[in-house]
Amino acid sequence: NAGVTQTPKFQVLKTGQSMTLQCAQDMNHEYMSWYRQDPGMGLRLIHYSVGAGITDQGEVPNGYNVSRSTTEDFPLRLLSAAPSQTSVYFCASSYAGGNTEAFFGQGTRLTVV
Amino acid sequence: QQQVKQSPQSLIVQKGGISIINCAYENTAFDYFPWYQQFPGKGPALLIAIRPDVSEKKEGRFTISFNKSAKQFSLHIMDSQPGDSATYFCAFHTGNQFYFGTGTSLTVIP
Repeated sequence: NAGVTQTPKFQVLKTGQSMTLQCAQDMNHEYMSWYRQDPGMGLRLIHYSVGAGITDQGEVPNGYNVSRSTTEDFPLRLLSAAPSQTSVYFCASSYAGGNTEAFFGQGTRLTVV
Repeated sequence: QQQVKQSPQSLIVQKGGISIINCAYENTAFDYFPWYQQFPGKGPALLIAIRPDVSEKKEGRFTISFNKSAKQFSLHIMDSQPGDSATYFCAFHTGNQFYFGTGTSLTVIP
């Protein structure tokens, strides 16, 4: 099983550009989420979804959009990239409710110049 | 506002020693306390987890201790091995969201 797959692994953007980070899972998990990881800050929740068609904001949602049209996919969109969005981004999925093991992808290292 | 305070930030332990990482939390409306282990260039992976109705859980060399009245939980790694060198995150789950600690970088010296 592939688990949680994120693409791309690395990306460099110029300030103001937009892009979409892809996330797909093959475990039929209802709950999916996006985190950013910054040095000394741990993992901070950006957006999450409890099922197809349902999304909600986490701790740090500004500058990011999400949608959940299928159970498998949960893309994260950067509308107008800023240097402050330079980070490592992780997608995770878990069974319904979220209070169970979260399976993480390998991460996307994003640099905004 | 940091909901979970994790310490120490870094830890160096001799092989065979005990590694102890502590977390203190603010929110009392929780239902799940996991610990995650992360190796460089990889995503975090679940190490061990506990629910609030249990005060201690042991899995092999790893033990979680939970002190509800003090709002603290800790991870003990017995007989630490060089392969345990990684970053460890505590977390708690409440209201559909996970809140993670800032991480502890553990180095086990052979």
